[in-house]
Amino acid sequence: QVQLVQSGAEVKKPGASVKVSCKASGYTFTNYGISWVRQAPGQGLEWMGWIITYNGNTNYAQKLQGRVTMTTDTSTSTAYMELRSLRSDDTAVYYCARGSDSDYWGQGTLVTVSS
Amino acid sequence: DIQMTQSPSSLSASVGDRVTITCRASQGISNYLAWFQQKPGKAPKSLIYAASNLQSGVPSKFSGSGSGTDFTLTINSLQPEDFATYYCQQYNSYPRTFGQGTKLEIK
Repeated sequence: QVQLVQSGAEVKKPGASVKVSCKASGYTFTNYGISWVRQAPGQGLEWMGWIITYNGNTNYAQKLQGRVTMTTDTSTSTAYMELRSLRSDDTAVYYCARGSDSDYWGQGTLVTVSS
Repeated sequence: DIQMTQSPSSLSASVGDRVTITCRASQGISNYLAWFQQKPGKAPKSLIYAASNLQSGVPSKFSGSGSGTDFTLTINSLQPEDFATYYCQQYNSYPRTFGQGTKLEIK
């Protein structure tokens, strides 16, 4: 069965970086792109970006340009999202999701940014 | 960017009711629209893709319709497990954008 399993919760200080992983199983990894979506406490869903897994092409939300990098390791069927220069308003649950229509989601990774 | 506007923002209904949630795009998106259900503390769950196609395993009480700029999600015969927050998302163009969500509560 299709599964996306994300890495565990992180606590970071302002200015630091975080790298969240999303390991896929149950399907051919390079047949689907991966989206990253985040959700601040009590807020709605915010699309962060998209990576085409077979060639690494990316498209990022304008507000995150320059701070976010999405990559994949096709040998381990894992997608990564790195966010740099963290601020308190980056505190959120971060999700990965499969495909253009986001049919399967990871369980979420809580990233807390606090001094 | 395409703005997605859901209405209502919140909705109170009773078990057994039928409800409809609307999602409007600021410009045409053909049928590149998905609907998600999210319960507190859980990841979103995909319900519908391409505006009207039910994801595998999703009960037929959920249905979607629309094309262009106006879309609806209908839930028949509400059960306790249906009370959640619902989001629409367009995937016609970048950046992908979500509606602000509709919180469905028990009356």
